[in-house]
Amino acid sequence: DAGVIQSPRHEVTEMGQEVTLRCKPISGHDYLFWYRQTMMRGLELLIYFNNNVPIDDSGMPEDRFSAKMPNASFSTLKIQPSEPRDSAVYFCASSLDLRLSGYTFGSGTRLTVV
Amino acid sequence: ILNVEQSPQSLHVQEGDSTNFTCSFPSSNFYALHWYRWETAKSPEALFVMTLNGDEKKKGRISATLNTKEGYSYLYIKGSQPEDSATYLCALPRAGGGADGLTFGKGTHLIIQP
Repeated sequence: DAGVIQSPRHEVTEMGQEVTLRCKPISGHDYLFWYRQTMMRGLELLIYFNNNVPIDDSGMPEDRFSAKMPNASFSTLKIQPSEPRDSAVYFCASSLDLRLSGYTFGSGTRLTVV
Repeated sequence: ILNVEQSPQSLHVQEGDSTNFTCSFPSSNFYALHWYRWETAKSPEALFVMTLNGDEKKKGRISATLNTKEGYSYLYIKGSQPEDSATYLCALPRAGGGADGLTFGKGTHLIIQP
């Protein structure tokens, strides 16, 4: 398996623009997670899906953030409109289990909003 | 909100020396604890998942112990090598039960000096 695949690796956008981050989880993993990494707050869980269904989105910062998982092999995280404070590294991860299996992380998308 | 504390924040160790660092967490409602290794410019990789009080896991020169009653886990590295330089993260489900993904500590940044 190629692991968890994220695209793009880097994204630079202007404030106010829409940004879409993409993730392909490992086949057979029932759980998909979106995390955000910042210097101040470390790795924060934004949202996770179980069998394509969003279970907990309490970590999503505000209504400008939305995530979808239309099928078992694809998820998106969208920010609209983007703001400079959204600049961070966004990681997607997948796992067989919510708590008892290690999470496999993608390479991350480094987002810069100018 | 789950409080996962890791100490020290950073650590410089001479090549060949052994070292250890700590993850502290609330002892009530414990379910599982994860350790991850995060090398610079890469993504976090799962090392261990631990569930039982007194549990000890080992992978090569790296081992971990767990004390759920007092709420801590130690990660040990024996005979440090330059390739051990990384940030080591511990993580727990946000609550003992329910549908919660992992909350990560801020990590211990380990630098092995040749």
